[in-house]
Amino acid sequence: GAVVSQHPSWVICKSGTSVKIECRSLDFQATTMFWYRQFPKQSLMLMATSNEGSKATYEQGVEKDKFLINHASLTLSTLTVTSAHPEDSSFYICSARDWGAATSAFFGQGTRLTVV
Amino acid sequence: SQKIEQNSEALNIQEGKTATLTCNYTNYSPAYLQWYRQDPGRGPVFLLLIRENEKEKRKERLKVTFDTTLKQSLFHITASQPADSATYLCALHPSGSARQLTFGSGTQLTVLP
Repeated sequence: GAVVSQHPSWVICKSGTSVKIECRSLDFQATTMFWYRQFPKQSLMLMATSNEGSKATYEQGVEKDKFLINHASLTLSTLTVTSAHPEDSSFYICSARDWGAATSAFFGQGTRLTVV
Repeated sequence: SQKIEQNSEALNIQEGKTATLTCNYTNYSPAYLQWYRQDPGRGPVFLLLIRENEKEKRKERLKVTFDTTLKQSLFHITASQPADSATYLCALHPSGSARQLTFGSGTQLTVLP
């Protein structure tokens, strides 16, 4: 199946700093990528839909100025958590879909963010 | 409101038995339903997809059923193994142009040796 690479797999940052997470589709072009957040023992919650070459679409309750998304190419989307606070600590996961091949989604490995 | 329920937060079964996980949904008209496996600290991995006009899908030891009247999907793992221990998520893709998946909260399966 298609491969989605997410980096870093874990990061610890100080409160008030910004953290960038990268999501790459390695063997297909992804015009749309999705960013999720997951708390322990909970479901994946969609944060935003990242569209190549245009602005991301954010879900209700997600602060667009806090979670900056850039999808500058067909294989790369980035999520930047700005001015991070301890409550932003979570597991962030990206996914992409190879629309030319199938309708299943392929997920990155996830990024464990800890804000101290 | 729309809701997806996986009605067992945790399920323990003995090795060799068949594990059956349930996914119920309300106020959805899904075009298709998917099942994913998620290991701790990892992203979900796609397992099976079943469309609204399909009743059953199989892949090796896995079987998924989809009953749009009952608004329910069952996920079976036959001849279960300890390596099958993981959290299993169901996800719905609604009809229409929306592309995103909506996930249930998952069922943590433990297969005991």
